[in-house]
Amino acid sequence: AQSVTQPDIHITVSEGASLELRCNYSYGATPYLFWYVQSPGQGLQLLLKYFSGDTLVQGIKGFEAEFKRSQSSFNLRKPSVHWSDAAEYFCAVVGDAGKSTFGDGTTLTVKP
Amino acid sequence: KAGVTQTPRYLIKTRGQQVTLSCSPISGHRSVSWYQQTPGQGLQFLFEYFSETQRNKGNFPGRFSGRQFSNSRSEMNVSTLELGDSALYLCASSVQESSYNEQFFGPGTRLTVL
Repeated sequence: AQSVTQPDIHITVSEGASLELRCNYSYGATPYLFWYVQSPGQGLQLLLKYFSGDTLVQGIKGFEAEFKRSQSSFNLRKPSVHWSDAAEYFCAVVGDAGKSTFGDGTTLTVKP
Repeated sequence: KAGVTQTPRYLIKTRGQQVTLSCSPISGHRSVSWYQQTPGQGLQFLFEYFSETQRNKGNFPGRFSGRQFSNSRSEMNVSTLELGDSALYLCASSVQESSYNEQFFGPGTRLTVL
């Protein structure tokens, strides 16, 4: 069975600081990996995805993520956080029979 | 292009009642998936429909059911509501089977069971 772990429930960073959100997955084969963002009262929006190829993927809003097979990780990064990045972030894996499994999410707070 | 729409946005029901939620996917999208989001359980996959056929189902009791119409619009139904069914129900659509494609999420329906 597949699973996703986001170890950090809540992260606070100062505006302009760099950000890294962690995601670890468990899946036997090469997974399809996604990062989504959810603002309060909204649905989820795709930030980026990894299917194959280059392990460093670029997404929207200046985000990037790196797939590391040896560490079963797919961490999300941003070099300089903006106040509008405050939201909840979800990592997801699509594996067995095409089912999506989401992590529990990481809430990002941005300090002015 | 209009996004995924869900109706109603908010719903209050009492235990034992049943409820039907509606989702209209983005035009041209043939796959619709449903998720339940709660503070305790996070985002959990309910089911996925593609071309009016259920392709995948999550681990939810039979009280949760769904269907998809020929125009790709989808409904989900929850019968005999329980307090624990209070949640945000999200619908997502994608062009092909959602398995490996980007999903576009609607704003959700907030269901409160009293």
